Amino acid sequence: AQSVTQPDIHITVSEGASLELRCNYSYGATPYLFWYVQSPGQGLQLLLKYFSGDTLVQGIKGFEAEFKRSQSSFNLRKPSVHWSDAAEYFCAVGASGGGADGLTFGKGTHLIIQP
Amino acid sequence: DTGVSQNPRHKITKRGQNVTFRCDPISEHNRLYWYRQTLGQGPEFLTYFQNEAQLEKSRLLSDRFSAERPKGSFSTLEIQRTEQGDSAMYLCASSVRDHGYTFGSGTRLTVV
Repeated sequence: AQSVTQPDIHITVSEGASLELRCNYSYGATPYLFWYVQSPGQGLQLLLKYFSGDTLVQGIKGFEAEFKRSQSSFNLRKPSVHWSDAAEYFCAVGASGGGADGLTFGKGTHLIIQP
Repeated sequence: DTGVSQNPRHKITKRGQNVTFRCDPISEHNRLYWYRQTLGQGPEFLTYFQNEAQLEKSRLLSDRFSAERPKGSFSTLEIQRTEQGDSAMYLCASSVRDHGYTFGSGTRLTVV
């Protein structure tokens, strides 16, 4: 069965500092990987996705993520965070970009931005 | 393209009552999903429609839950005889194959 682990429940970063959110997945085949962001009481917004090809993917809002098959990881990074980045971040894995089983999500990482 | 629309945004109901939520997907998306998200957790898959056919159902979808997608357009999720444990955010998503998933803003259900 597929699974996603986000080892950090909370992360606190100073505004302007760099950010890395960790994601490890377990999946038996080539995974489709996603990062979503959720503000309080809101739905999920897609930041970026990896389907194939270049293992470094660029997303919206200045985020990027790197797929490392050997480490089963898909960590999210941003060089300089803004106060508006404070939110919940979810990593997810799927069998395809839009398949029958949907997505399996991690439990999320809550990002706090210090002034 | 106005995205995935969910109604209502919030629903408070008494235990034992029935509730129904609606999801309007992106018009050209033939695939539709329902997820449930409880506090402090990631979303969990409930069920999947391809056009009007319900093709996958999670173990989480008890007999009190039923979902429909008549004519392959909008979808409804009904919960009968609600319990306090049903309190959660119910998220709808739609997709076309290999193009990713677009989520709605969700319906937050509170059972009192």
